[in-house]
Amino acid sequence: TAGITQAPTSQILAAGRSMTLRCTQDMRHNAMYWYRQDLGLGLRLIHYSNTAGTTGKGEVPDGYSVSRANTDDFPLTLASAVPSQTSVYFCASSAEVGNTIYFGEGSWLTVV
Amino acid sequence: RKEVEQDPGPFNVPEGATVAFNCTYSNSASQSFFWYRQDCRKEPKLLMSVYSSGNEDGRFTAQLNRASQYISLLIRDSKLSDSATYLCVVNGGSTGGFKTIFGAGTRLFVKA
Repeated sequence: TAGITQAPTSQILAAGRSMTLRCTQDMRHNAMYWYRQDLGLGLRLIHYSNTAGTTGKGEVPDGYSVSRANTDDFPLTLASAVPSQTSVYFCASSAEVGNTIYFGEGSWLTVV
Repeated sequence: RKEVEQDPGPFNVPEGATVAFNCTYSNSASQSFFWYRQDCRKEPKLLMSVYSSGNEDGRFTAQLNRASQYISLLIRDSKLSDSATYLCVVNGGSTGGFKTIFGAGTRLFVKA
């Protein structure tokens, strides 16, 4: 089963450039999330969506935007990348908010 | 004080040892709890949920202590394959709505 698919798997990006990380889930989950994970800081929530058509800000939303046009897709956009956005990004989903969260395999982003 | 705190370790134990991790949380309104396992450069995966009555899955036992606001994970007869980072997850209400918090993780190394 596919579950959650993220793309790209890894990317090197020049500072100032824009980038969209793609995320698709095939579990028909209502809730979706974007986390970044940095050494020593654990997983930090960037943005979330409780259901299609709605989004909300997480703990570290600055510099990122999301959209949720349908149930399956939840892209994350960096409008103008900065080196501090170098991280591994995990897309995740759950049937509803508060249920078990399932993660994609991650997107490794380096901003130089 | 962090909302969810874990001892980062690392815990270095020999094969066959018993090892226990604790995770404390600050929000007394927290409602559900989980342990996740994360291997190096991989996504977090659900290990087990933590129920009020405690629960066991093979060599793994999870317990919840609401009075002292901590959850624990006990691993018996450690295997080399148990080497990973273990994340505790706390779901609970907050003034801003439902909230899921991940601990930063405890690293475990099991040695032959």
